[in-house]
Amino acid sequence: DADVTQTPRNRITKTGKRIMLECSQTKGHDRMYWYRQDPGLGLRLIYYSFDVKDINKGEISDGYSVSRQAQAKFSLSLESAIPNQTALYFCATSDFRGYGYTFGSGTRLTVV
Amino acid sequence: SQQGEEDPQALSIQEGENATMNCSYKTSINNLQWYRQNSGRGLVHLILIRSNEREKHSGRLRVTLDTSKKSSSLLITASRAADTASYFCATDILPYKLSFGAGTTVTVRA
Repeated sequence: DADVTQTPRNRITKTGKRIMLECSQTKGHDRMYWYRQDPGLGLRLIYYSFDVKDINKGEISDGYSVSRQAQAKFSLSLESAIPNQTALYFCATSDFRGYGYTFGSGTRLTVV
Repeated sequence: SQQGEEDPQALSIQEGENATMNCSYKTSINNLQWYRQNSGRGLVHLILIRSNEREKHSGRLRVTLDTSKKSSSLLITASRAADTASYFCATDILPYKLSFGAGTTVTVRA
């Protein structure tokens, strides 16, 4: 099993729908992150969590929310999807130093 | 805005040649990391260099860091087809939180 598992791998949804992307990790790390990747823009941080009770907004959190259900699980929700949220979404985890993030394989989300 | 910027945006080389890419950043850092991404897959951590280090090696990878110029370079020696990927530098803009550049896409021709 992968260290970081994201589901679904691909999703097509309609504008206005609520959608949840799930992430689970087996690294035993406290820190988890959600990034969005768009062509030519690299990765941008959406939300991050340093432990179950500590959740923080990243640089592009508008239109997104998260839930840290357990140390190993960190979900990202789009409350009302819009087309410009079409992107590749990555979950990652790290130890307390942030040395060497471990990424999931990504969720390719298309909003039509 | 992103902290790091890679240069060039794209690089095409022949198998066996060396590939060099650069990263410039804006603010002081504690460490700089390089990652590889194969076509649409998750990023894989390659190497980390701390701010008090000037050079680091890992297999065919060589990373340098010049904090006075706020820049780093990644050298891949004797490239192989399997090195075809995008390469990203990442800096810790705040403790334990990384900011990624837009990446350099490397194509290794057989």
